[in-house]
This record gives sequence, C-alpha cells and structure tokens, in this order.
Amino acid sequence: SQQGEEDPQALSIQEGENATMNCSYKTSINNLQWYRQNSGRGLVHLILIRSNEREKHSGRLRVTLDTSKKSSSLLITASRAADTASYFCATDAPGGGNKLTFGTGTQLKVEL
Amino acid sequence: DAGVIQSPRHEVTEMGQEVTLRCKPISGHNSLFWYRQTMMRGLELLIYFNNNVPIDDSGMPEDRFSAKMPNASFSTLKIQPSEPRDSAVYFCASSFPSGRAGELFFGEGSRLTVL
Repeated sequence: SQQGEEDPQALSIQEGENATMNCSYKTSINNLQWYRQNSGRGLVHLILIRSNEREKHSGRLRVTLDTSKKSSSLLITASRAADTASYFCATDAPGGGNKLTFGTGTQLKVEL
Repeated sequence: DAGVIQSPRHEVTEMGQEVTLRCKPISGHNSLFWYRQTMMRGLELLIYFNNNVPIDDSGMPEDRFSAKMPNASFSTLKIQPSEPRDSAVYFCASSFPSGRAGELFFGEGSRLTVL
C-alpha cells in the first residue's frame, strides 16, 4: 500500500512554538500534498510539493521532501491555538492518474 | 463559490436499510472522489470519476456499495443493504483534472451511523 505514515500520531505544544510533523511513504511519487482537518470538518489543502522539489514555503508553513528517504516534513512556525487540527500527507503514484492516497494523520494540539 | 456540497450531513439508519449520499462538486471541476474515513482505517478512497466516468472503483468494499455520476454536477454513493460496519464519515471531493493529482476540494462530509 502506498499509504503514508505520519509521525508523531499526536503532538501537543504551546502557542508560539514550532510544530514538526513527518510523513513516510512506500513507493515513488509524482507529488506530495499536505492537508488539514479541523474536528468534524472536511480536509483543506495546505501545500503541494513536486517530486523534483526539495523545499517549499507558504506563510508559516515549510515543507521538505526527501525522495531518497521517501519522507516529507511539515513545519508550522509560531503556532497558534487555531492551528489545532489533524494534518495529513497525501501522495499520488506515477501512472496512478489523479488518485491521492492519504496517510494516517498527526493530531496537533496547540495550547494557550 | 459554494464549494463541494454534500447531503445529508448526518444519517442514522438501521441495519438493512438503503442509504444514499449525495454530492455536488465545484462547478468546472471534472474529477470527483468518494472517500471514507474511520478511526480504524483512516481515509480510504472508494471510487473516483473523471468527466463523469468511473476510473478506479477498486476501493469500493463490496457489491453493497455503488456510485454514479449521471452528470458533471451530481454524484451519489449508495449502500444497500447497510451494515453497522459501514458507519463512517463519507467525504466527496472534486478537482481539476491534470493528469497528475492536483489539489482536492473536500465537502464537509456525511456522517453515517448504522444501528
């Protein structure tokens, strides 16, 4: 299965701290995406990084991709209570069309 | 833009009953996906369509599940007969077709409870 594994499963930090989540996957990919899900809501796309990119930034988000290790990390800097959510990585495989396979997710709690 | 619209948001039914979940994708999006989310199995892709045509239904659990997309603005996921193990949140998502997977836009989900 291509399903990614996020690490850690759960993370609790104080507001203002940085949060780092990791994702590992099993097969080659075209791109990797990160999504956020607030409790009881649908997933929202955060950022996409292509297989030929190593790092990407968007606001307080920084994503890295290491295709040799089949892993990615999502860094949220200066976290806020509103960042409390579950975060998922998603990958698509070459020849897999536009089908995305999601990881198991990291539950982030940012405390005041 | 109204986003992806799913109905119903919540459904409670008894085992053996038929369940129909509905989805309206974002106008102009040509790809539509049905996912199921449970604590045990996470997010699973059930089926996806490109231009109203089913492309990959390998994730559909069994013959009790069926999905249709009669036109570009509407899709249904039907479970008949329903079983307690079908209890989950079912998400519909849509995207522009790009050959490679692009950004998915998710609806708010339909929470199904089968008693």
